[in-house]
Amino acid sequence: QVQLVESGGGVVHPGRSLRLSCAASGFIFDNYEMHWVRQSPGKGLEWVSMISHDGNTKKYAEFVEGRVTISRDNSKNTLFLQVDSLRIEDTAVFYCARGLSGSLFYFDYWGQGTLLTVSS
Amino acid sequence: DIQMTQSPSTVSASIGDRVNITCRASQTIAVWLAWYQHKPGQAPNLLIYRASLLQGGVPSRFRGSGSGTEFTLTINSLQPDDFATYYCQQYDSYPITFGQGTRLDI
Repeated sequence: QVQLVESGGGVVHPGRSLRLSCAASGFIFDNYEMHWVRQSPGKGLEWVSMISHDGNTKKYAEFVEGRVTISRDNSKNTLFLQVDSLRIEDTAVFYCARGLSGSLFYFDYWGQGTLLTVSS
Repeated sequence: DIQMTQSPSTVSASIGDRVNITCRASQTIAVWLAWYQHKPGQAPNLLIYRASLLQGGVPSRFRGSGSGTEFTLTINSLQPDDFATYYCQQYDSYPITFGQGTRLDI
């Protein structure tokens, strides 16, 4: 069965960097676009970033553009999100999600999320 | 950016009730809308895609309708497992955006 397992969250000081990972199994990873979605405390879901199946196309939400890099290693069925210059407002649960295409993408499988807390 | 506005923000209902949740887009998105159910500490669960298509394994009491800018998620005959937060999501154009959520309480 399809599984997405995020890791790499934790407590980090403002200004530092962190890399989140998402291990995928149960499907042909390099057939699918993959996404990161976050949920800040007490708030709703926000799309963060997308990477194409081959890694050649990347998209970012404006609120993280320039501070975040999405990548993937198809040989290891793993998705990554590098977040630099962390801010207090980056505190959130980060979910990875598998994209299915319509005009753009909706998400049929999600991980359980990894919590990133930015605090001094 | 396309803004997605859900109403109500919170709805209280009882087992067996029917509930309607509305999602309005700030510009037309054709049928490129999905609905998710989200419970605390769990992964969001896809219910509906392309505005009205039921995801496999989702009970038929969930129904999606609408096109253009106005969409509705209807839950018939509420069951205990349905009490959660529901989000709509547009996938017509970047950035992909979600509604603010509707919490369904007992």
